[in-house]
Amino acid sequence: NAGVTQTPKFQVLKTGQSMTLQCAQDMNHNSMYWYRQDPGMGLRLIYYSASEGTTDKGEVPNGYNVSRLNKREFSLRLESAAPSQTSVYFCASSETAQETQYFGPGTRLLVL
Amino acid sequence: QQPVQSPQAVILREGEDAVINCSSSKALYSVHWYRQKHGEAPVFLMILLKGGEQKGHDKISASFNEKKQQSSLYLTASQLSYSGTYFCGTEIREDSGYALNFGKGTSLLVTP
Repeated sequence: NAGVTQTPKFQVLKTGQSMTLQCAQDMNHNSMYWYRQDPGMGLRLIYYSASEGTTDKGEVPNGYNVSRLNKREFSLRLESAAPSQTSVYFCASSETAQETQYFGPGTRLLVL
Repeated sequence: QQPVQSPQAVILREGEDAVINCSSSKALYSVHWYRQKHGEAPVFLMILLKGGEQKGHDKISASFNEKKQQSSLYLTASQLSYSGTYFCGTEIREDSGYALNFGKGTSLLVTP
């Protein structure tokens, strides 16, 4: 039982490059989330998926796209990376919004 | 919609008590508390679902004042292991069932 897994753990990109952050959970949860964490800013929600087949924008969606590939997987794509997207990205999952969120280990992204 | 946490940071000696507050400008459906150690993912502490509810385990407890739209986390007889950043996540009533809004966090350092 791995919980929530994220790949890659670290990534360095040049401005303008694209990449996809992968997230998978093995707890059969309905809801999945993508957050970014910057110093002093807390956790800010980028996108979430309340259930398989649905996705919604969070607080800071600009520059990102998501895909809920199936119930297990929720990916985050940066189409054209910018230095402002340098951050730590966390994926999380929960049965519903009212229940515990389980976080993945995070992806540290540096955009040069 | 981001809740406001106070204080931003606190330093305690082992055995001392602390209170962390979380306030919202909107009516709340639930409040979640998480702790994050440096370089790690946030870890769930507790959820409060009903106004007036109080919960606790070990020497960490929390209360939820629905009328005041706020929650408080109480750490008593602090231990070195309590060090970390504490986040509250709020589920506002009008968006119930969808996603949490996290505060910027309160950094807690417990010293010997």
